[in-house]
Amino acid sequence: GDSVTQMEGPVTLSEEAFLTINCTYTATGYPSLFWYVQYPGEGLQLLLKATKADDKGSNKGFEATYRKETTSFHLEKGSVQVSDSAVYFCALSSNQAGTALIFGKGTTLSVSS
Amino acid sequence: KAGVTQTPRYLIKTRGQQVTLSCSPISGHRSVSWYQQTPGQGLQFLFEYFSETQRNKGNFPGRFSGRQFSNSRSEMNVSTLELGDSALYLCASSLEGHSGNTIYFGEGSWLTVV
Repeated sequence: GDSVTQMEGPVTLSEEAFLTINCTYTATGYPSLFWYVQYPGEGLQLLLKATKADDKGSNKGFEATYRKETTSFHLEKGSVQVSDSAVYFCALSSNQAGTALIFGKGTTLSVSS
Repeated sequence: KAGVTQTPRYLIKTRGQQVTLSCSPISGHRSVSWYQQTPGQGLQFLFEYFSETQRNKGNFPGRFSGRQFSNSRSEMNVSTLELGDSALYLCASSLEGHSGNTIYFGEGSWLTVV
């Protein structure tokens, strides 16, 4: 079945460091890919998405490119801030399953000043 | 525009009881889905409703059920609660329920079963 694998955390960075969180997926067909962020005690917020191969999603300095050849959707940010500390989830939605999202386990990011 | 609203935010129930959680989607959204989040299993899809019909269902026992009303509001029910049902239950809505649609989440209902 469809699945998402993302790098284990926690990831600890200093402010202004470069961030990469790896995400790979297994799916039949052409899924849509998402990154969600969850701040402590809150629900999920959509960070960015891509719906077809080679699409780049971007938001708030974060970027991710849908790579079909490597089945990947890695999240990057050039310069992280303390306020970026949160849990990041990679997810997919396949054409076969409507809007049912399949999530990775989540990666905790901690940024210190 | 109001976001996805879930009630109650926090609740404590006793093993064996049942619980009903409520979700109001973003105005105009017709698809509502539910997820369970636990530290051990992560985020897992429960079910999705579209136009009052269950369209997709995850791998959960029959104790977990839901419904959607004509105004797109949704409820989920868990009967015969078990300790393992303690979790954050998240409701999400999207416009037309297509896989590429943006899915918006509520802040969740924290359920503790004692």
